[in-house]
Amino acid sequence: DSGVTQTPKHLITATGQRVTLRCSPRSGDLSVYWYQQSLDQGLQFLIQYYNGEERAKGNILERFSAQQFPDLHSELNLSSLELGDSALYFCASSETGTPKEKLFFGSGTQLSVL
Amino acid sequence: GESVGLHLPTLSVQEGDNSIINCAYSNSASDYFIWYKQESGKGPQFIIDIRSNMDKRQGQRVTVLLNKTVKHLSLQIAATQPGDSAVYFCAENMASGTYKYIFGTGTRLKVLA
Repeated sequence: DSGVTQTPKHLITATGQRVTLRCSPRSGDLSVYWYQQSLDQGLQFLIQYYNGEERAKGNILERFSAQQFPDLHSELNLSSLELGDSALYFCASSETGTPKEKLFFGSGTQLSVL
Repeated sequence: GESVGLHLPTLSVQEGDNSIINCAYSNSASDYFIWYKQESGKGPQFIIDIRSNMDKRQGQRVTVLLNKTVKHLSLQIAATQPGDSAVYFCAENMASGTYKYIFGTGTRLKVLA
């Protein structure tokens, strides 16, 4: 168990809908990362937060947004969902969010858009 | 069920043999590397890391080799066990620029009994 908690584990929804994925980092970790993993793809970096502030942005679509709250949990909001958004979404955390830190991953949320 | 990389390169190894998984990284400025293991239905799990000032690092049953000249990493698993069956990813990071990690596409390791 990595200590990173993600909910829900599975989410099934329809095109055009909006969903929210939730992540609680490991105790003591200040930085949270969101990754998307599709079939035949590696982990694609979406966005990183550190202590409530956005630190780095990757290939995140404009339809997607995220935030990190004062209690350090994070939410990833996906809106106007399309079939191609079906994927595994992982949250990871690290202590200070600086390079050369290990990332600890949650078990992921499997999103299916029908 | 399988949820990761249906068409990943696959390495099949007999139980008890040594496994070598390779990774070509993309950025010559990357100076920190991690190997992750991902079992079906789970998130990636940290295995071992190495900084660019090292060529080799050993852990428990695992060794990572770094060849900066050709931008190549390898993960060696000694005495491979059925529990080692998983997808293995390398990840690279740079000290400067963005903080994001770049992950390779992964290799599926199948351990044959």
